[in-house]
Amino acid sequence: EAGVAQSPRYKIIEKRQSVAFWCNPISGHATLYWYQQILGQGPKLLIQFQNNGVVDDSQLPKDRFSAERLKGVDSTLKIQPAKLEDSAVYLCASSQDAWTSPQETQYFGPGTRLLVL
Amino acid sequence: GQQVMQIPQYQHVQEGEDFTTYCNSSTTLSNIQWYKQRPGGHPVFLIQLVKSGEVKKQKRLTFQFGEAKKNSSLHITATQTTDVGTYFCAGRGRDDKIIFGKGTRLHILP
Repeated sequence: EAGVAQSPRYKIIEKRQSVAFWCNPISGHATLYWYQQILGQGPKLLIQFQNNGVVDDSQLPKDRFSAERLKGVDSTLKIQPAKLEDSAVYLCASSQDAWTSPQETQYFGPGTRLLVL
Repeated sequence: GQQVMQIPQYQHVQEGEDFTTYCNSSTTLSNIQWYKQRPGGHPVFLIQLVKSGEVKKQKRLTFQFGEAKKNSSLHITATQTTDVGTYFCAGRGRDDKIIFGKGTRLHILP
């Protein structure tokens, strides 16, 4: 079974530039998550999708971050404009169905390491 | 808001010694999950606990969920070098929000 795919793996940009990350979840997984992991800290949930609907985006800085999952499969996360404090690893994860599965096992992708200069 | 505290932040143990990390939530949790992240890697699911007082074992790993469903622990017996990494707990609150702890970084001394 193919895992969660993310691209790019690394990205270096200057502050005030924009950047986009892409995630392809495991086939058939209804729930998709985007996390931000700052060095030395635990993952922080940015947004959770159930199919193509947003379940939770309470910690997404909506003035600069946006995410979409138009067809309920792939997802993109965008930052515009980027700030120095956005330097982090952006992790995408998917699970079968956060609402009906007894096991909400999240499978994480390799992440995109972002450095904002 | 809901907070999940994890202690200790770092732990150095001799190979063969036991290791325990604790997770405490400010609110009652629906469930709690544990993940392991190797250096440079991504979090990998270990287990999910749902019931009050639940105890689950995976070989040398023992996971517990407190009676009040506000705390949890992960205990590793006789650590090995392959246990190196950061262990995270992730609690799902009654409002269905997922909060990760900051993790406990385990280092094994040979």
